[in-house]
Amino acid sequence: NAGVTQTPKFQVLKTGQSMTLQCAQDMNHEYMSWYRQDPGMGLRLIHYSVGAGITDQGEVPNGYNVSRSTTEDFPLRLLSAAPSQTSVYFCASSYGQVRSYEQYFGPGTRLTVT
Amino acid sequence: SQQGEEDPQALSIQEGENATMNCSYKTSINNLQWYRQNSGRGLVHLILIRSNEREKHSGRLRVTLDTSKKSSSLLITASRAADTASYFCATDAGGTSYGKLTFGQGTILTVHP
Repeated sequence: NAGVTQTPKFQVLKTGQSMTLQCAQDMNHEYMSWYRQDPGMGLRLIHYSVGAGITDQGEVPNGYNVSRSTTEDFPLRLLSAAPSQTSVYFCASSYGQVRSYEQYFGPGTRLTVT
Repeated sequence: SQQGEEDPQALSIQEGENATMNCSYKTSINNLQWYRQNSGRGLVHLILIRSNEREKHSGRLRVTLDTSKKSSSLLITASRAADTASYFCATDAGGTSYGKLTFGQGTILTVHP
C-alpha cells in the first residue's frame, strides 16, 4: 500500500491564484482530513470528511473548499491564494468509528504564496 | 483555538535518559492521541488512550491520562538519538466531532548520543 499520498510536494503561488492540493489514500479509510501546520502553532484542522459525499468544516476553513466524490480522494482547493495561506498542508485518513481513530498522515505539501 | 497545551516546548536529554512530555486540554474528550513528527515529515501515530483509561503502554512509551485534571503525559524510557523529533498530543472530542483532532503546539525533543 502507498498509504496517504499528496501532490505536489512544493508549490509557489502568486496572490490571487487558485490551485488544488491532491490527496489520495489506498487503505479504504472512511475519514479524511486536511490540516495546516504553521511554525509554533501545531496542526489546525481545515476540513474533514467522514465518507464520500460528506464534508464538514474544521477550525480554519475560510479560503478553502473540499469535496469527496470517492472514498480514495480528498482534494483541497485554494480559491484565491493569500500570503496568510503560506503553510505546510497535511492530509490524513483513518478508519473512523468502525475500527480506529488513529490517523495516517501524508508527507505534506509546502505552499508559499507571494 | 488550540485545545492542547504542551509542556515543555523543548526538551534536551542524553541517550539512555527518560523523556517526559505533558499535555493539557480544555474540553471533555473521547480519546487523546500522541504523534511524532520527524523534521520535514508527516506525523506518525504513536498511541491512543481513551477517556475511560488511565494508563497505556506501547514498547518504550507510557501514556497516562487524568481526565479530572484534563491532562496527559507521554514518557519515553531509555531514549535513543532516533527519538529526536517533535511530539504532539491531539484530542478527539467524540460525539458529532469524532475524528476531528485538535492538536497541541508540540514538544521538540532532542536526544544527544
